[in-house]
Amino acid sequence: SQQGEEDPQALSIQEGENATMNCSYKTSINNLQWYRQNSGRGLVHLILIRSNEREKHSGRLRVTLDTSKKSSSLLITASRAADTASYFCATEGGSNYKLTFGKGTLLTVNP
Amino acid sequence: EAQVTQNPRYLITVTGKKLTVTCSQNMNHEYMSWYRQDPGLGLRQIYYSMNVEVTDKGDVPEGYKVSRKEKRNFPLILESPSPNQTSLYFCASSAGRRQTQYFGPGTRLLVL
Repeated sequence: SQQGEEDPQALSIQEGENATMNCSYKTSINNLQWYRQNSGRGLVHLILIRSNEREKHSGRLRVTLDTSKKSSSLLITASRAADTASYFCATEGGSNYKLTFGKGTLLTVNP
Repeated sequence: EAQVTQNPRYLITVTGKKLTVTCSQNMNHEYMSWYRQDPGLGLRQIYYSMNVEVTDKGDVPEGYKVSRKEKRNFPLILESPSPNQTSLYFCASSAGRRQTQYFGPGTRLLVL
């Protein structure tokens, strides 16, 4: 069953604007990860945030995690055309090795 | 260079013809996993392996087999492929639980 659900499903913005994507999940987690996928290609890991962390930064990326609301957000600041991709959140929880992915947000950054 | 490789990258086959998709990682990772990606369904885990000779089912294991005889390799076997296994397949590896997963470039499979 799907754990993470991204919102919105699609987002179109202009270059230079910020992009915010949200992820909600249903059960307790050990960590939450964000990945990027360019059309039909492999997934690239962006950032991992553990359940005891609330915010994490990496370059132009900022991720927040609210375990009380079971939600996370990914903010991309000063977006570029090269940021155009699908973004997935994935949750890891329980005792086994399993990442459960959402269906993704398709971000289009227009030059 | 640290990487996960998959072969072949593209494959067209016919129903019932056994095939193997190979996956290899050079990072000495213990954990490896296979996913399939389908439009509207996202990525779903097929099988995973916590170490050599230790494998377990994911969410959609039917019609697939795996083996983990060596740490670096984790092949995905389709004994009798069917058209509903047409998909984009990804292999991934990780140093352990609660760690980043590194993905291969994907294998696009078409079963006629």
